[in-house]
Amino acid sequence: NAGVTQTPKFRVLKTGQSMTLLCAQDMNHEYMYWYRQDPGMGLRLIHYSVGEGTTAKGEVPDGYNVSRLKKQNFLLGLESAAPSQTSVYFCASNLAGGQYEQYFGPGTRLTVT
Amino acid sequence: GENVEQHPSTLSVQEGDSAVIKCTYSDSASNYFPWYKQELGKGPQLIIDIRSNVGEKKDQRIAVTLNKTAKHFSLHITETQPEDSAVYFCAASKSGGSNYKLTFGKGTLLTVNP
Repeated sequence: NAGVTQTPKFRVLKTGQSMTLLCAQDMNHEYMYWYRQDPGMGLRLIHYSVGEGTTAKGEVPDGYNVSRLKKQNFLLGLESAAPSQTSVYFCASNLAGGQYEQYFGPGTRLTVT
Repeated sequence: GENVEQHPSTLSVQEGDSAVIKCTYSDSASNYFPWYKQELGKGPQLIIDIRSNVGEKKDQRIAVTLNKTAKHFSLHITETQPEDSAVYFCAASKSGGSNYKLTFGKGTLLTVNP
């Protein structure tokens, strides 16, 4: 039981490049989330999904897109990376929303130059 | 929407001392208050949570207290150890239509000095 895994662990992009971050969970969770963590800013929700085939915007969605084609996977895309997107990205999943424990992945450290 | 304020942003204690981290929330409808611990280079992990129908919950050296009237809750760590050094996040959520999300505080970096 691997829990929540994220790939890649590290990535450096040039401004304007695109990339996709992959999150996978093996706990059969319905809800999945993407957060970004910046110094002094805590965890901010980018997008979330309440089930396979659904996605919705969180607090800071601009510049990101997501897809949840399979229940176990949640993809975060950056179409045209900007330096402001330099951050650590965490994926999380849980059974059924905000009243349940969220299980976090190990994070992806992204640097945009 | 919900706003969660967390204090202090950094806290340094000697091994064996107690540590207290405080959070306030703005939405009186919030009824679930978890605390997450994030060790260096890892994702956050739930360490304790409390629901609004209780005022205090303990788990070995950690405890959480909730004051619904004042809309604040606190994490208490007793007999701190170096392995308690981490970033701690409080969070709040409510049941009902917007129950998909947690609102996190900005975090407290706790350092336990041997």
